[in-house]
Amino acid sequence: GAVVSQHPSWVICKSGTSVKIECRSLDFQATTMFWYRQFPKQSLMLMATSNEGSKATYEQGVEKDKFLINHASLTLSTLTVTSAHPEDSSFYICSARDPDGQETQYFGPGTRLLVL
Amino acid sequence: KQEVTQIPAALSVPEGENLVLNCSFTDSAIYNLQWFRQDPGKGLTSLLLIQSSQREQTSGRLNASLDKSSGRSTLYIAASQPGDSATYLCAVSRGNNRLAFGKGNQVVVIP
Repeated sequence: GAVVSQHPSWVICKSGTSVKIECRSLDFQATTMFWYRQFPKQSLMLMATSNEGSKATYEQGVEKDKFLINHASLTLSTLTVTSAHPEDSSFYICSARDPDGQETQYFGPGTRLLVL
Repeated sequence: KQEVTQIPAALSVPEGENLVLNCSFTDSAIYNLQWFRQDPGKGLTSLLLIQSSQREQTSGRLNASLDKSSGRSTLYIAASQPGDSATYLCAVSRGNNRLAFGKGNQVVVIP
């Protein structure tokens, strides 16, 4: 089946530093990937849609200069949280669109970010 | 803006009982509805996907119904087992794979 991985699984960083999270489709090509953020006891919130070879599409209220997305290949999308602050601490999950064109997504295991 | 609500937020049931989880959404113009399972600190596993033209989907002990006009979906889990303990998330698609999620139903099945 379609497998999506994320790296790292958790990261702790100091306030003001930047953190990069990778999302990879392991056994299929993903032209479209999605980035979500989930706070404790809250729902997943779609942050942006990442399209291979083009600029990401950000949801309303998500700062594109704060959350940099790069989708340079068909199997890798990266999310960089720039100048991280404690309020950016969250669970970040990526997903990849089904390669067969079905309206479903395959989710990665998530990355826990803690900003001190 | 699509709002997705899941009730109850949390529930505990003894092993063997049937589970009924409810999801409601405010905008009936959906492409499909999906139910996911999330274990603590983990990603999501897709359970069932119901297209907007369908009324229900079944997979093993799981059955999900969809009433698009009233903005409701119900997930039934028959004969619950301790391994069913998890958070169940409902998500509606607005097209182009853009999903709006509820906060989840946190389920504990007591052995």
